[in-house]
Formats: sequence, C-alpha cells, structure tokens
Amino acid sequence: DSGVTQTPKHLITATGQRVTLRCSPRSGDLSVYWYQQSLDQGLQFLIQYYNGEERAKGNILERFSAQQFPDLHSELNLSSLELGDSALYFCASSRQTSGTYEQYFGPGTRLTVT
Amino acid sequence: TQLLEQSPQFLSIQEGENLTVYCNSSSVFSSLQWYRQEPGEGPVLLVTVVTGGEVKKLKRLTFQFGDARKDSSLHITAAQPGDTGLYLCVGWNYGQNFVFGPGTRLSVLP
Repeated sequence: DSGVTQTPKHLITATGQRVTLRCSPRSGDLSVYWYQQSLDQGLQFLIQYYNGEERAKGNILERFSAQQFPDLHSELNLSSLELGDSALYFCASSRQTSGTYEQYFGPGTRLTVT
Repeated sequence: TQLLEQSPQFLSIQEGENLTVYCNSSSVFSSLQWYRQEPGEGPVLLVTVVTGGEVKKLKRLTFQFGDARKDSSLHITAAQPGDTGLYLCVGWNYGQNFVFGPGTRLSVLP
C-alpha cells in the first residue's frame, strides 16, 4: 500500500459527459502528479500541483483541468469526454527523501467512455 | 529535453533464467527510480539510486547506477512468474520533473 488513495476505482460514462477523479496524497506529501496511461502505453504526465499551486504542465488537454485543495487532496476534471479518453488515470505524490524525490503512485482510476 | 531509453522493450523468458534490463540517457540525472507495474495497477517503487556507481540489492533484484549517472541496469537472478510486469525507470533532476522511460515488459513463463 503506497498510502496514495484514488477514487473511484472504475468509472464508465458516455461521450460528452464530465467526470471528476479524486486523489489523496500520502500524509505529509505536498506534491501531486496526474498521469494518463492508455492501453499498453507508457505513462503520460498531465499536470503537477505543489501545496495548492500548479507547478508544471505536461500533455494535458484543454478539456481537462485539475486543482489541489488546502487539505492537499487533488481532483482531475475531464469534460466533453471522447472515446479516446478511455484510459487508466494515476495520481502520485512525492516528497524529498535523502536528497532526492520519489514518487508513490495510487491504484488508479479506470475510465471507460462509451 | 531529457530522454530515457530502455532495452529490451519486451522480454519473455522461462522461470529460473537470469535477465538484465537497461536504462540509458545522454543526460545526467540526480537520481533514478525503478518501478514495477502489474496490469491495471499503479507502479510500485522498487528502488532509488542516487550515487554514481551505486549498487542496491532487493532479494533477487540487483540495481546499478552508472558512474556518470546517465544509465542504470536491473538484473534479476532466477526469475519467477511473480516477476512478470512492466519495469519502468524514472529519472529525476533538481528544478525539473520526473522523466519516464518507455518501460520493459517482462513475461516469466512457468
């Protein structure tokens, strides 16, 4: 158990809809990262938040947005969903450990768009 | 742009065999992590290497960080079906974000 929690585990929705994915980082971790993993593909970095502020952006579509709340949990909002958005969405949290940073991943949310 | 390459991309071996997975870059990294991911699950951190030339062992897994901190290897001795999964190397540098390799998909057949 990494200590990172994600809800829901599975989500099935229709094209054009909007969904919200939730992530709670490990206790004490200030950074949260969101990744998308399509079938048999690598992890694509979407966005990073640090202590409530956006820190870095990757290949995140304009239809997607995220935020990190004062209690450090984060939400990823996906709107106007398309079939191609079907994927596993992972969040990870990190902190400095022995002079470097390590990421710990949650179990993921499997999104299916029909 | 920092890139990490991994080889081989796919590896299918019999139980009991040894194997080595490589992670290479033209860039220097402050640290490098190795993860194993099973289908439908999140990547699990196996090890972090920080010092050039560092060797870390985790049971039958041996991880090495190159002297110049540009490359790393993962050696598995006497592979078991439970070792099956996607192995990811991830580099990190101060002031930058994590850089992911494409992964090596390992299948260990009983």
